[in-house]
Amino acid sequence: EDQVTQSPEALRLQEGESSSLNCSYTVSGLRGLFWYRQDPGKGPEFLFTLYSAGEEKEKERLKATLTKKESFLHITAPKPEDSATYLCAVSKLRGNTGKLIFGQGTTLQVKP
Amino acid sequence: GAVVSQHPSWVICKSGTSVKIECRSLDFQATTMFWYRQFPKQSLMLMATSNEGSKATYEQGVEKDKFLINHASLTLSTLTVTSAHPEDSSFYICSARLAGTYEQYFGPGTRLTVT
Repeated sequence: EDQVTQSPEALRLQEGESSSLNCSYTVSGLRGLFWYRQDPGKGPEFLFTLYSAGEEKEKERLKATLTKKESFLHITAPKPEDSATYLCAVSKLRGNTGKLIFGQGTTLQVKP
Repeated sequence: GAVVSQHPSWVICKSGTSVKIECRSLDFQATTMFWYRQFPKQSLMLMATSNEGSKATYEQGVEKDKFLINHASLTLSTLTVTSAHPEDSSFYICSARLAGTYEQYFGPGTRLTVT
């Protein structure tokens, strides 16, 4: 069965304390893996797409990496404004619609 | 770029009435749009995939006669919740797939409360 599992569920960091969020996936053929950020009461904001193992992408303090079984979202020297829920999703090769299978998310809180 | 809007951002309706939510891609064309539902502290649940000019594809367990989807143009999809009941109260979010990619860009969401 296709599955996306994120860990931890919640993460509390001090400002400047770097850490990583994990997204493990089990799908029959990966087309792409996506990271989103969601603030309370808002729609998800697109961060990254990763298509193949070994691929890495960076944006400001965030860096996403991909292996054949999991993806990591590394947060370097986080700031309070990085506090949000981070969602991971995968798109399967089969089918052309590109629908996404989401994980449950990791809620990050960064304290000043 | 890749901005998606939703209207209204929140709506309160009485039980038994119908509510329409609009989803627009503002600066790109979207042959495929998606409708999600999100409960508090939970992840997104895909309700249906909306293709321009054809019938929507509903996920298992989603009543297509209750949640009517119309993808009338390359920039507009609508979700109508018919005969709404309190259990339909939720946060509804749409997304649009950027042509040539599998990236989905999300709207800001619509909070529906049925009294």
